[in-house]
Amino acid sequence: GAVVSQHPSRVICKSGTSVKIECRSLDFQATTMFWYRQFPKQSLMLMATSNEGSKATYEQGVEKDKFLINHASLTLSTLTVTSAHPEDSSFYICSALNPGNRGVNEQFFGPGTRLTVL
Amino acid sequence: DAKTTQPPSMDCAEGRAANLPCNHSTISGNEYVYWYRQIHSQGPQYIIHGLKNNETNEMASLIITEDRKSSTLILPHATLRDTAVYYCIVRARDDKIIFGKGTRLHILP
Repeated sequence: GAVVSQHPSRVICKSGTSVKIECRSLDFQATTMFWYRQFPKQSLMLMATSNEGSKATYEQGVEKDKFLINHASLTLSTLTVTSAHPEDSSFYICSALNPGNRGVNEQFFGPGTRLTVL
Repeated sequence: DAKTTQPPSMDCAEGRAANLPCNHSTISGNEYVYWYRQIHSQGPQYIIHGLKNNETNEMASLIITEDRKSSTLILPHATLRDTAVYYCIVRARDDKIIFGKGTRLHILP
């Protein structure tokens, strides 16, 4: 099946710094990617939809100036958590839409990035 | 809002069939039923999906009622590695996936 990777798998940073998380589709081109956040013992919460070559669409309540999304190529989307604070500590997961996989499964998830802000 | 209702948790003995129910009474004609699972600290994994016919693959079977208002995911021979949170999701093709709370499945040795 299609593979989506994330880098880094875990990151620890100091409060006030910015952290960039990469999401790559390794063997297909993805015009659309999604970013989720998951707090302990909770479900995944959709943060935004990332579209190649255009601005991301953010879900209600998600600060677009804090969570910067860039989808500059068909295989890479990045999420930058700006001025991170301890409450931003979470598990961040991306997924990528593979339109070439219609009829089977067209959305593939990355392994997640655990962010800890001290 | 998630369009599905699932029991918060279930237990199943190892080697037995695990039957996970899902209610989706407001499903629209163009919406599919998808199942994903998430093993602890990993990204979600696709299991199976269907529109109105029952489906089977190497991982599981999906039984959808005739009125499409509910479905059951069947893991035929559960193993300890099937311990995970299972999410039933209703969505149209290419739509964003909105996760509900899912069912936490415990496989008992």
